[in-house]
Amino acid sequence: EVQLLGSGGGFIQPGGSLRLSCAASGFTFSDYAMSWVRQAPGKGLEWVSAIVASGRNAYYADSVKGRFTISRDNSKNTLYLQMNSLRVEDTALYFCAARTNMVTEDYWGQGTLVTVSS
Amino acid sequence: DIVMTQSPDSLAVSLGERATINCRSSQSVLYSSNNKNYLAWYQQRQGQPPKLLIYWASTRESGVPDRFSGSGSGTDFTLTISSLQAEDVAVYYCQQYYYTPRTFGQGTKLEIK
Repeated sequence: EVQLLGSGGGFIQPGGSLRLSCAASGFTFSDYAMSWVRQAPGKGLEWVSAIVASGRNAYYADSVKGRFTISRDNSKNTLYLQMNSLRVEDTALYFCAARTNMVTEDYWGQGTLVTVSS
Repeated sequence: DIVMTQSPDSLAVSLGERATINCRSSQSVLYSSNNKNYLAWYQQRQGQPPKLLIYWASTRESGVPDRFSGSGSGTDFTLTISSLQAEDVAVYYCQQYYYTPRTFGQGTKLEIK
């Protein structure tokens, strides 16, 4: 069974940093691209970032480019999102997702909540 | 960025009746080389992560009931639920994965009438 377990969320002041983690199991993590998608309270889905299976290439939404860094450790089956210079508008539930169908996000974690507020 | 626009924003349908949700992209998501539309539909029930229902605009994900179907090409797409069940109450999102960044529609909230 595919499982994606997110952690690292919390309450942080504007300008601060957080690192989210997503521990994957139930599939060969190193074979598939992974993504982060976020959802602000009561709002829709926003794609944030993605990384290819090897970790060599990463992609970002304009809203987080230069502030967030996606990475992965295939030896630990773990996906990361380093979030710097956090803003109030980054407050959201952050989902990690896997592309095991090689097409789009087909497995999703339960999400980890990030709250940015003074 | 590609803008995905869904209609309606909300929809109330009686149990057993048909529900139709539309999605329009600001640019075509049809890749001519493979004749595939890079369009997916997701269902998000309250308090749950999104669930993939359909990709390639019309390919049903494994385990998804056949009352869910997707159609359309280019810039205009439709998700149809042929006979609404109580468990289909959710918000539905379309997503294009042709361009980076991948973008979602604003969501359509489906309720029981």
